[in-house]
Amino acid sequence: GQQLNQSPQSMFIQEGEDVSMNCTSSSIFNTWLWYKQDPGEGPVLLIALYKAGELTSNGRLTAQFGITRKDSFLNISASIPSDVGIYFCAGQLFTNAGKSTFGDGTTLTVKP
Amino acid sequence: ETGVTQTPRHLVMGMTNKKSLKCEQHLGHNAMYWYKQSAKKPLELMFVYNFKEQTENNSVPSRFSPECPNSSHLFLHLHTLQPEDSALYLCASSLGQGVTEAFFGQGTRLTVV
Repeated sequence: GQQLNQSPQSMFIQEGEDVSMNCTSSSIFNTWLWYKQDPGEGPVLLIALYKAGELTSNGRLTAQFGITRKDSFLNISASIPSDVGIYFCAGQLFTNAGKSTFGDGTTLTVKP
Repeated sequence: ETGVTQTPRHLVMGMTNKKSLKCEQHLGHNAMYWYKQSAKKPLELMFVYNFKEQTENNSVPSRFSPECPNSSHLFLHLHTLQPEDSALYLCASSLGQGVTEAFFGQGTRLTVV
């Protein structure tokens, strides 16, 4: 099946810094999703991208659907301590009835 | 509060035990999902139900048996598990299968001893 490579695996940053993470796939997806998982909780959807080249923001978060449809990026600006958690990308194909393939996750630690 | 509630939050069971995980959603969704989350591995989709009918079994061993009595409730019956089945089991729901926005429960942390 399809696999997603998510990088970096972990990040340790200072409060106020910007963060960038990405996901790449060997094959295309029709939809890219970005989730955040807080410790002890389930993932929460942050941003959904539906079109190649699409750039979407949600507060301090911005995500882009790569033009090749094989990658996606998530940026967090001016990080704050509550940004701590695991960020997952997920891809979906129309032909797969909405099944999501998830990346391994990027663990973000923000130092005050 | 995401509208998807899972119980119990934590479960420790022996390899010969039988237990069940419960998931309930009050969002009016028609699709429900079970995922397994193991350390250092991506979320793995286990089962999908759409309008109470199972539409996906992702080659899950028969020691995991799902049940969906109605669109609001989903169970995962566990029997004769192995230590490597220890993981966080997440339930999710969406308006319908194929709808991208899925809402996850908090998960059940399962430890098999």
